[in-house]
Amino acid sequence: DTGVSQNPRHKITKRGQNVTFRCDPISEHNRLYWYRQTLGQGPEFLTYFQNEAQLEKSRLLSDRFSAERPKGSFSTLEIQRTEQGDSAMYLCASSLAGISGANVLTFGAGSRLTVL
Amino acid sequence: QKEVEQNSGPLSVPEGAIASLNCTYSDRGSQSFFWYRQYSGKSPELIMFIYSNGDKEDGRFTAQLNKASQYVSLLIRDSQPSDSATYLCAVNKSGGSNYKLTFGKGTLLTVNP
Repeated sequence: DTGVSQNPRHKITKRGQNVTFRCDPISEHNRLYWYRQTLGQGPEFLTYFQNEAQLEKSRLLSDRFSAERPKGSFSTLEIQRTEQGDSAMYLCASSLAGISGANVLTFGAGSRLTVL
Repeated sequence: QKEVEQNSGPLSVPEGAIASLNCTYSDRGSQSFFWYRQYSGKSPELIMFIYSNGDKEDGRFTAQLNKASQYVSLLIRDSQPSDSATYLCAVNKSGGSNYKLTFGKGTLLTVNP
């Protein structure tokens, strides 16, 4: 499978717990993104990696959120002390920099978080 | 003014008709424009992108770009019930943030058999 893989697909947790999501991008892609999507809204940018470097983190992201991409391959997104407002679909996407033309993002299936 | 604006719909068309989806953007320096389709509960999938003024056709889909008016549209010809989905417009911003896409809220399209 050469697509973007995300795990787990669904996570139900209680308020205050920590959760971690994993994303495996398309292997040759060096750019990796995390987006969040709530019902009736478009995907909202959270953070961006070029290889292992985190180059941008949205100002909307609180300090409870952290993302890593330690070897420039897979990435993890951790949410500490979850709140009900964190309930959303967390989408990972990847793309390949350096190709002429548009920067096309390919999305994974997403990880749906429900905070009770 | 929102960065990317779309009519949330729902837009309802009969099977076989042309569906027209519209999008406006605020950053005049935006370079690339994307249309993604998202079925309920699924992730966005790319339909097509455009970065030159004019029309770009791919099968039943035509993207139209007018940079002077900051307007992008997607036409779907011979609409099918399987086209029923939310259509997301996304824009690749200019300058130092040109690696990421900014999305609109999406337009829900329903194609009635």
